[in-house]
Amino acid sequence: DQQVKQNSPSLSVQEGRISILNCDYTNSMFDYFLWYKKYPAEGPTFLISISSIKDKNEDGRFTVFLNKSAKHLSLHIVPSQPGDSAVYFCAAHPGGGTSYGKLTFGQGTILTVHP
Amino acid sequence: GAVVSQHPSWVICKSGTSVKIECRSLDFQATTMFWYRQFPKQSLMLMATSNEGSKATYEQGVEKDKFLINHASLTLSTLTVTSAHPEDSSFYICSGNTGVGSPLHFGNGTRLTVT
Repeated sequence: DQQVKQNSPSLSVQEGRISILNCDYTNSMFDYFLWYKKYPAEGPTFLISISSIKDKNEDGRFTVFLNKSAKHLSLHIVPSQPGDSAVYFCAAHPGGGTSYGKLTFGQGTILTVHP
Repeated sequence: GAVVSQHPSWVICKSGTSVKIECRSLDFQATTMFWYRQFPKQSLMLMATSNEGSKATYEQGVEKDKFLINHASLTLSTLTVTSAHPEDSSFYICSGNTGVGSPLHFGNGTRLTVT
């Protein structure tokens, strides 16, 4: 049972345009969401997170939106740069007494930004 | 902050041998570290939680006798894959964070290939 889903395996955008990466989840107990960026043969790098009590969090070119009623979150990258090309994972934490290290990851979306 | 160093970055071993992977927190003390695994084209999955000075806790389906975890100090956790088999070939990644509520930071991972 895939509780966190990234339905788009890949996304291609032009440099300077907006990249929108989407993520859906099924577990309503998730209360904290994160986005990670990963290059081949490297570990994931933390990008941005959002608590379930918020609907938006912004950090520079990266903005994460959370729609709890739809169980959907998205990562916007504006403007996109070729160096953003990587695999992006969304992850969720169930909160409560669950270990804070226990994240459920989506399958990842490969973002390619063309010059 | 929250730099996690992992070694080796890749290893090839013969079936039946054991392999040790080290994970160090460089700029923070980690009473708890987390070992994840990623098979090709799949999500990252939590294998086990490494607890300093006590036994690790394993996720369902992960054999504790096969994946030995030792967390002898606040900055070092090791994962030993014992009697490795080709199906253990995977990307192993450790992670830690600076405290409850802060995001997980990952090491660069170890690509294990068992021949």
